[in-house]
Amino acid sequence: DSGVTQTPKHLITATGQRVTLRCSPRSGDLSVYWYQQSLDQGLQFLIQYYNGEERAKGNILERFSAQQFPDLHSELNLSSLELGDSALYFCASSVRWDNENIQYFGAGTRLSVL
Amino acid sequence: DAKTTQPTSMDCAEGRAANLPCNHSTISGNEYVYWYRQIHSQGPQYIIHGLKNNETNEMASLIITEDRKSSTLILPHATLRDTAVYYCIVVSYNTDKLIFGTGTRLQVFP
Repeated sequence: DSGVTQTPKHLITATGQRVTLRCSPRSGDLSVYWYQQSLDQGLQFLIQYYNGEERAKGNILERFSAQQFPDLHSELNLSSLELGDSALYFCASSVRWDNENIQYFGAGTRLSVL
Repeated sequence: DAKTTQPTSMDCAEGRAANLPCNHSTISGNEYVYWYRQIHSQGPQYIIHGLKNNETNEMASLIITEDRKSSTLILPHATLRDTAVYYCIVVSYNTDKLIFGTGTRLQVFP
């Protein structure tokens, strides 16, 4: 158990809908990251927050947004969903943000867009 | 970000050492080498990381060549539970976002 909690585990929805994925980081971790894993793209970095502020951005679509709340949990919002958004979404957390920093991953949310 | 090259797949007999190579010839002096693995569709799991010295922990050993252009992850006594995709990642200075490649699929057989 990594200590990172993601909910829900599975999500099935229809095209055009909006969903929210939730992540609770390990106790004491200030950084939260979101990654997407699809069959054709592999694991891709989406976005990072550090202590409530956006720190780094990857290939995140404009239809996607995220935020980190004062209690440090984070939410990833996916809107106007398309079939291609079906994927595993992982959240990770870490203490800091520098490059000598270990990320701990949650078990993921499997999103199926029908 | 420095690019890494790993073999697509490897096999290893249970109980033997698994040696997973990684090339990172464009690595910069302040970039770290990290290894993560992903068992089936679980969340990636941190294994080990290093800058230039060899490192060992309870999971594995990391051997980095003197010129830092390549490294080898060693699982000393592979078990069936070590079957996974292993990712070698170079992390740039002043960031810690992980850029995953395609990794090496390690199959441990009885």
